[in-house]
This record gives sequence, structure tokens and C-alpha cells, in this order.
Amino acid sequence: NAGVTQTPKFRVLKTGQSMTLLCAQDMNHEYMYWYRQDPGMGLRLIHYSVGEGTTAKGEVPDGYNVSRLKKQNFLLGLESAAPSQTSVYFCASSYDSGGTAYGYGYTFGSGTRLTVV
Amino acid sequence: AQSVTQLGSHVSVSEGALVLLRCNYSSSVPPYLFWYVQYPNQGLQLLLKYTSAATLVKGINGFEAEFKKSETSFHLTKPSAHMSDAAEYFCAVSALYGGSQGNLIFGKGTKLSVKP
Repeated sequence: NAGVTQTPKFRVLKTGQSMTLLCAQDMNHEYMYWYRQDPGMGLRLIHYSVGEGTTAKGEVPDGYNVSRLKKQNFLLGLESAAPSQTSVYFCASSYDSGGTAYGYGYTFGSGTRLTVV
Repeated sequence: AQSVTQLGSHVSVSEGALVLLRCNYSSSVPPYLFWYVQYPNQGLQLLLKYTSAATLVKGINGFEAEFKKSETSFHLTKPSAHMSDAAEYFCAVSALYGGSQGNLIFGKGTKLSVKP
């Protein structure tokens, strides 16, 4: 099925370790997003991309880096993980900004649950 | 900046009862508004959206929402709750200005429980 695939689904890191979360979409969407979800905080935008080779900061970008070398992939990196980065991370993609065209909205992946100890 | 407020982090209803989940937004111009649903251990799915056409919007699974400009509200309703409706619901607004123009801004979510 077409959609957004996130890998890995679960990960435990030690403080100071690095890792990369991979997001892949096969819908030819221009826009891609990384959100983090924490209890009582809703979803907060970390970084986003409006097309291949572009990235931009969202609401909570500190401690994260991203790259969009190919249109279908959006990578989220943690260079030196901290316990405050324990969260569930969601990737999403859309045809246009805001997901307003064609009624599809954003398509979300199933999430990566990251624990930093 | 635009924002979304969802009243009530937890709502509990009995099966067959009316579901009402409240969402208010702040915006100087009419925005695009969305409701998403998240079932346990899954990503978010689009329930319905308002994009300046009809003010009463019908979505999937019997849900609907009404855009009320005078009240800056976009409350989600369903006449009769089903056990399968138990999930977390997020209201979102599409930012119309600023550095994140067009990106969705989410509320903090309302967890719906349905009692048998």
C-alpha cells in the first residue's frame, strides 16, 4: 500500500549516542515533516521540507538535523541524544502545504518510539 | 501566531451517546481546519477538513464538524458513539502566515473513551 514508512519502529539510545530516523514516502509528495508527540503536548513540528534539497526549522528544532537528498526520503538525525528527546516521532507528507489539496491532508507514518536513557 | 485550543484532554461517553469534542482556533483570517484521529500505536488519519466551502463538513465514520466563524470554533460531533471510536482526536489549523506558512498547527489532543 502507498504511504509513509518510518524505520525503525522502536529504539533505545544511551545519552550522547547518535542515530538517524528514516522516513520514506511513495506518493510523490513535495512536502515532508517531522513531528514529535509527547503526552499532553500534542504534535510539535521539528523540521520540514518543501521539496528535494530543502529543509526548514519548525517549532522545536534544537538538537535535531534533517536532510532531504531524495524527494521520497526525509531523514531526522540526533547527533547527541538527550533524555529530553525521549518521545514518539512521526513523519508526514503532503501534496501541498497544509494538506489542503485534493482532500488528502497529511499522510502520517506509524511512528518511531525513541527512549533515551 | 495561530493557535488551536482543544477543551478537555479526556472525554468519556457511553456507547450510543452523543460525542462532542471541542476545538477553538485563533486567526485573523479564516483558516483551513482539520480533525485527525489517532488509534493506539498508530499514526494520525484525516477525519475531515474545512477549506472555506460548506461550513458543515462530513467526515469518515459518521463524524461531522461545523465551522462557526463568530465563535472561532470547529467542534467535532457524532450522534451515536461506538466502542471503535475510542481514540485520541486532534484538531489542527493550517498556518496562513509566518515562517511556517501552510504547515499544520495541532491542538494538544482529546482522548475519547467509550463506555459499554
